[in-house]
This record gives sequence, structure tokens and C-alpha cells, in this order.
Amino acid sequence: DAKTTQPNSMESNEEEPVHLPCNHSTISGTDYIHWYRQLPSQGPEYVIHGLTSNVNNRMASLAIAEDRKSSTLILHRATLRDAAVYYCILRDVNDYKLSFGAGTTVTVRA
Amino acid sequence: EADIYQTPRYLVIGTGKKITLECSQTMGHDKMYWYQQDPGMELHLIHYSYGVNSTEKGDLSSESTVSRIRTEHFPLTLESARPSHTSQYLCASSETRQGVSPLHFGNGTRLTVT
Repeated sequence: DAKTTQPNSMESNEEEPVHLPCNHSTISGTDYIHWYRQLPSQGPEYVIHGLTSNVNNRMASLAIAEDRKSSTLILHRATLRDAAVYYCILRDVNDYKLSFGAGTTVTVRA
Repeated sequence: EADIYQTPRYLVIGTGKKITLECSQTMGHDKMYWYQQDPGMELHLIHYSYGVNSTEKGDLSSESTVSRIRTEHFPLTLESARPSHTSQYLCASSETRQGVSPLHFGNGTRLTVT
């Protein structure tokens, strides 16, 4: 799997937006960009995925650079419940498995 | 909401015991996975299955074994537990759409071997 690079940690204030960057300069044309998050003492949870176009769902938005070498996960209004480790993962269209990196630990201040 | 269940949630057991960690899903997913995660560390894939009677080893070598006799059930077994097996074990499943099907995770079994 192609590798991704994320900051180790980020802090945010409650009700403010959070922008989580992810670099994936070696992404291939068949790699989807997936985001998962892991709340304390729980298994990872799917957040969103995309290929080329920006994507929105009820949890977050995914902004993908035009050259696909980077992406940003956007949490529009952070809540205390959004405090988690966020993983940016590349997954080939022909693959079912996921390989997790270290992720970004997000802290939300009340 | 995903329906994937792991039991037990916590297990403390002595060295040398045989243990089986249970994982069941009610979504009819073909694909199932086991990940291992030490506290504060990354998840590592240790086993996966693409269907009944199909099992493969993952990226991280593990002394555990798995079986897939029924679609909904994917147990993991340690024949002789050791302190080095102390970790969290997470089970997941996904459906068959390549590259895009999200993985649904259980809440894990936290294993401590004394």
C-alpha cells in the first residue's frame, strides 16, 4: 500500500472547524483515499472515502487536491465526541484490506 | 449501523491456557479481518478471510490461528497464551465491493496474559 503522512496531533476548540491534512505523494490512479477514526476504547469507525472529487457526508467532508497528492478531512463543527485518532489510508480499488498508520490524535477543548 | 460482535470484551488469563476470541457479524459480509493493536500503537492486520473456508495470514506475523466455517463467524485461537500475546484484538468485516466497501469494526477484546 502507498504510504500517507499525517501530523501526530492537532487541537481544536469545541464548535470550531477542524482541518486534518494528509499527504500521499506516491498515490496511484487506482488508490481510494479512506478516512477512519478511533474513539478511546473502541474499534475504528469509517468516516468517508473518495477518489478524485470532493465528498460530503453527515460526518465530514473530504477535500482532495487536484493532483491527488494530498487531501484534507474537514470536521465542520468539532464536538467533544470528535476527540479521536483519525487515520488517512490509501486503498487500492482491487484490494479489500486496510493498512493503518499512526494517524492524527485530535483533542477538542471545551 | 454495523452489527459485529466480539466476546469477551476483556479477558485475563494465565500463561499456557488455550483461548478463543469470538467474532460474529449479522450483515452477511464475505470479508472478515483480525487486527492486533497494542496500547497507543497502530493496528496491524494478522488474519483475513474472503469467504467460507478461506483464511490468509496478514501483514504481521502472529502465533494465533483462525477458522471460517460459517460466513458470520470468524474465531481466533491461541493454543498456548503467553504474556507477549497481551494486546487488543479487533475484528472487522466488509462486503464485496472492491476498494470502496468500508470495514465495520467490533469494539475489540482486550487480552491480558499473566
